[in-house]
Amino acid sequence: DAGITQSPRHKVTETGTPVTLRCHQTENHRYMYWYRQDPGHGLRLIHYSYGVKDTDKGEVSDGYSVSRSKTEDFLLTLESATSSQTSVYFCAIFGTGGNGYTFGSGTRLTVV
Amino acid sequence: QQQVKQSPQSLIVQKGGISIINCAYENTAFDYFPWYQQFPGKGPALLIAIRPDVSEKKEGRFTISFNKSAKQFSLHIMDSQPGDSATYFCAAGYGGSQGNLIFGKGTKLSVKP
Repeated sequence: DAGITQSPRHKVTETGTPVTLRCHQTENHRYMYWYRQDPGHGLRLIHYSYGVKDTDKGEVSDGYSVSRSKTEDFLLTLESATSSQTSVYFCAIFGTGGNGYTFGSGTRLTVV
Repeated sequence: QQQVKQSPQSLIVQKGGISIINCAYENTAFDYFPWYQQFPGKGPALLIAIRPDVSEKKEGRFTISFNKSAKQFSLHIMDSQPGDSATYFCAAGYGGSQGNLIFGKGTKLSVKP
């Protein structure tokens, strides 16, 4: 998607290992979000950021941490991955002027 | 007060028919109601959005109807096409600078040729 990229696209990791997902934007937007998508649950907010070093928790933040040291990068870390964190993770930026969210293409994470 | 309830979970419509997806929200302070369309393997993409000061918004074959008193809004897809087959999410939140959205659980639409 234009202006926002996620890496990696796919990852398989073992239970108990730390994992970091990256979201990079070229739009210079202030607000960035991490969601997880699971069948039957839709999209649920994990953490969001409203500026460099300014972050806050969402609905399902347990087991996750985030960091934003630069406007363009928002990192999501699973401190000790569990099987319940197997999911598709989406990063989003919020455009002003009624443009809504722009989502990245997602990271499919499997914890075995 | 933060839930958004979406129905149906899945929907099968014949080509040329009308697809209708409904959502209900609880928080009367919400002022931004978007719909997103998601194809397999892709991120959701903004389809159409409405503010509570209007009761209807139309963009091509897609229409949002909004009922503020009932706290409900719906997506109508006219002349549904096989290319419309996707998962649709409604959302509600604050459309100002913050933009935090609460999403419904999604509706998988299949349009049969």
